[in-house]
Amino acid sequence: QTVVTQEPSFSVSPGGTVTITCGLSSGSVSTRSYPSWYQQTPGQAPRTLIYSTNIRSSGVPDRFSGSILGNKAALTITGAQADDESHYYCVLYLGSGTWVFGGGTKVTVL
Amino acid sequence: EVQLVESGGGLVKPGGSLRLSCAASGFTFSSYYMNWVRQAPGKGLEWVSSISSRSDDINYADSVKGRFTISRDNAKNSLYLEMNSLRAEDTAVYFCARVEISRYSSGWYNYYFVMDVWGQGTTVTVSS
Repeated sequence: QTVVTQEPSFSVSPGGTVTITCGLSSGSVSTRSYPSWYQQTPGQAPRTLIYSTNIRSSGVPDRFSGSILGNKAALTITGAQADDESHYYCVLYLGSGTWVFGGGTKVTVL
Repeated sequence: EVQLVESGGGLVKPGGSLRLSCAASGFTFSSYYMNWVRQAPGKGLEWVSSISSRSDDINYADSVKGRFTISRDNAKNSLYLEMNSLRAEDTAVYFCARVEISRYSSGWYNYYFVMDVWGQGTTVTVSS
């Protein structure tokens, strides 16, 4: 069974930078996993932030960026703002019409 | 406006059945893969099932395989999830999501496999 790992939580100061990573329990994440990132606040539907590793969805501020760091996908928030306080989820495409979500990372801005 | 609206959630007893619907509007529904994703109370997101635009490629998470059936009616712009033999652990908010597999640009296809549009979700509670 494929497990996707994320840090459970991060705390960042306003204006600071935070990088959330997305790894595989066995193996490496590459662009061929088409990693995407979603933001979700309580009671709301997920919002698509980044797809295909590093493409920002329409309307997403450029303080959000995606990359591959070593053997993991990464989401970086540069210049964090108060309304970035959310849960963030990565998703990897496993092929053959199947996807797997990471466990999510709660980001607190304080 | 591109929109997905789920319905059909509710309270059901363990072992019971429920059928969820997702109504799509504002885009050519018949051109897109679609996914169901769920979120148990206080937990993370879990991919549940996918269906191709012509229903010829269907996939399920191991946790629901053999109990859930995904289907679609392109004439009605609707996606469905038939859920049988429901268990307490199926209690969750169920989201439908549009999937953009690829886009043709400048002479070739770029692949994305992204869930780019989401509904607001419908709540399923399995309890006696």
